[in-house]
Amino acid sequence: EPEVTQTPSHQVTQMGQEVILRCVPISNHLYFYWYRQILGQKVEFLVSFYNNEISEKSEIFDDQFSVERPDGSNFTLKIRSTKLEDSAMYFCASSEDRAYGQPQHFGDGTRLSIL
Amino acid sequence: QKEVEQNSGPLSVPEGAIASLNCTYSDRGSQSFFWYRQYSGKSPELIMFIYSNGDKEDGRFTAQLNKASQYVSLLIRDSQPSDSATYLCAPRGGNTPLVFGKGTRLSVIA
Repeated sequence: EPEVTQTPSHQVTQMGQEVILRCVPISNHLYFYWYRQILGQKVEFLVSFYNNEISEKSEIFDDQFSVERPDGSNFTLKIRSTKLEDSAMYFCASSEDRAYGQPQHFGDGTRLSIL
Repeated sequence: QKEVEQNSGPLSVPEGAIASLNCTYSDRGSQSFFWYRQYSGKSPELIMFIYSNGDKEDGRFTAQLNKASQYVSLLIRDSQPSDSATYLCAPRGGNTPLVFGKGTRLSVIA
């Protein structure tokens, strides 16, 4: 069964450094998402992406964050200058389209640890 | 502010029993409702979704939706120890992002 893949599974970075998290969505899916989950808290929406542009973003997704689809398969999340509070699990998800009945399928996540 | 409320649990049920997980939501514009299962340290895994009032069954799982009461539930029949996980309710309005509740931790006792 097709799945969303994310790399790396665990990223350790010094505070202030840039980090790029990578995702390969399911091949026929058109909508891509990033969510994060701080330890012990709920899953929170960051950004959605369609047709090479951001379609919606949350308050969390400030100027330190950016997303990109650099080629036909990868979808990346960049955090420019990481803070301690960016430590979390980051999940990429994709869906065939964004109609309300379409489910989003999640990757296994990247655990980001900021030191 | 869109709120999704779930009892955090833990909800403990004996093996073979029915587990009932509840969720209320504040956004009346919500049109579809997704249930995800999340094992500790893992990603959310889609179990099922519902968008019409009433019941929807899929194997051992039944989702129930009452839009007038802004209430959605998930029943798990014949609960197994492998069902022990956190269950996340996520309503969605139109093509807006998923809004997750904190989840209910289910523990199935063998």
